[in-house]
Amino acid sequence: DIQMTQSPSTLSASAGDRVTITCRASQTIYDWLAWYQQKPGRAPKLLIYKASRLESGVPSRFSGSGSGTEFTLTISSLQPDDFATYYCQQYWRYTWTFGQGTKVDFK
Amino acid sequence: QVTLRESGPALVKPKQTLTLTCTFSGFSLTTNGMCMSWLRQPPGKALEWLALIDWADDKYYSASLKTRLTISKDTFKNQVVLRMTNMDPVDTATYYCARIRGPQHAFDIWGQGTMVTVSS
Repeated sequence: DIQMTQSPSTLSASAGDRVTITCRASQTIYDWLAWYQQKPGRAPKLLIYKASRLESGVPSRFSGSGSGTEFTLTISSLQPDDFATYYCQQYWRYTWTFGQGTKVDFK
Repeated sequence: QVTLRESGPALVKPKQTLTLTCTFSGFSLTTNGMCMSWLRQPPGKALEWLALIDWADDKYYSASLKTRLTISKDTFKNQVVLRMTNMDPVDTATYYCARIRGPQHAFDIWGQGTMVTVSS
């Protein structure tokens, strides 16, 4: 099975900060990588798919990059609504695996 | 508007079989490329994919849970059903259904989730 490792596990930041979260796959997944935002008690929300494609309706301050085994999610200027947990998710040969999550909280 | 809603028991006993239903609207599971999945999230933990069924009725399962899972669909009722046998307290989680639209292999629409507790 492909393992997904996110870093950091927790990130303390302030509104306006540029934030970067990293996700590493245990083997190449090309660009089959998605990013989700989840708030407490809520279902995840798709932000980015195919590594860098912004889901419709998602603010442009969110961006994704990477291919192969290393991927990043960047929030260019953190807004109060962005404090949440973020998950990466890979797809490979009819299996889908998530990272362990990165919690973005107030510094 | 696309919506998904999970339903099922909130409490099951160990060794029982869990049956969850996802009722959806706003799209058809007969459309080429449409897929529906079940996922779960234990309290305070990460998301875990369980099973997927596609528009052609092909089915895929998590390798670690394959022997316990059955996914099926009723295209007339717009429902997808998950059965999980031999429930254990470690299966306590919020269970979500979610859609994959086309070839992106990402879950673009989610239900609100249903919490299932396994306890005697």
